[in-house]
Amino acid sequence: IAGITQAPTSQILAAGRRMTLRCTQDMRHNAMYWYRQDLGLGLRLIHYSNTAGTTGKGEVPDGYSVSRANTDDFPLTLASAVPSQTSVYFCASSGGQGGTEQFFGPGTRLTVL
Amino acid sequence: GQNIDQPTEMTATEGAIVQINCTYQTSGFNGLFWYQQHAGEAPTFLSYNVLDGLEEKGRFSSFLSRSKGYSYLLLKELQMKDSASYLCAPMDSNYQLIWGAGTKLIIKP
Repeated sequence: IAGITQAPTSQILAAGRRMTLRCTQDMRHNAMYWYRQDLGLGLRLIHYSNTAGTTGKGEVPDGYSVSRANTDDFPLTLASAVPSQTSVYFCASSGGQGGTEQFFGPGTRLTVL
Repeated sequence: GQNIDQPTEMTATEGAIVQINCTYQTSGFNGLFWYQQHAGEAPTFLSYNVLDGLEEKGRFSSFLSRSKGYSYLLLKELQMKDSASYLCAPMDSNYQLIWGAGTKLIIKP
């Protein structure tokens, strides 16, 4: 693994189903983030984690949950998917706060029908 | 509230220079990032400014004026591969990036 990986690449999901998007990084970064990107809108932060064992809510957390059991993994779970959660989801990580850049995974394109 | 404003779309000619402007209002400020995003791909880091002035990095330069809440990204010697969206993202007092919707740059031969 080099950088950040996300799985699956894309998924079509029936409304009401549970879904977990996976994110793994091998850069030993403390901070990790989940964003969604919708056409015409900027990236919106869903949840973040500043270090293993801690998580926080971003701008649009409703309907999503995360966990950070270790440094490398930061899964995002949709407990009961709804069509408004159709989006492209990006996971990102950074070495810390302040002026450190965020590195992005390739994204997961999710469609909820 | 927090707000980012940048043009939705710009067109430029191969070999020319283009300036993409960004104005912002955030709760606190810890610097401003510019990212490039090609269609269907993830954003990639271009530049970071925390002090006023110009930062030059090859064909790309970024400028910041904190007092005016203003930044721009300057792209020189445009190439076709520069066709992408450019995202302005200031960092607020909680060290969270606030993302603009991006400027889609179209390069014509």
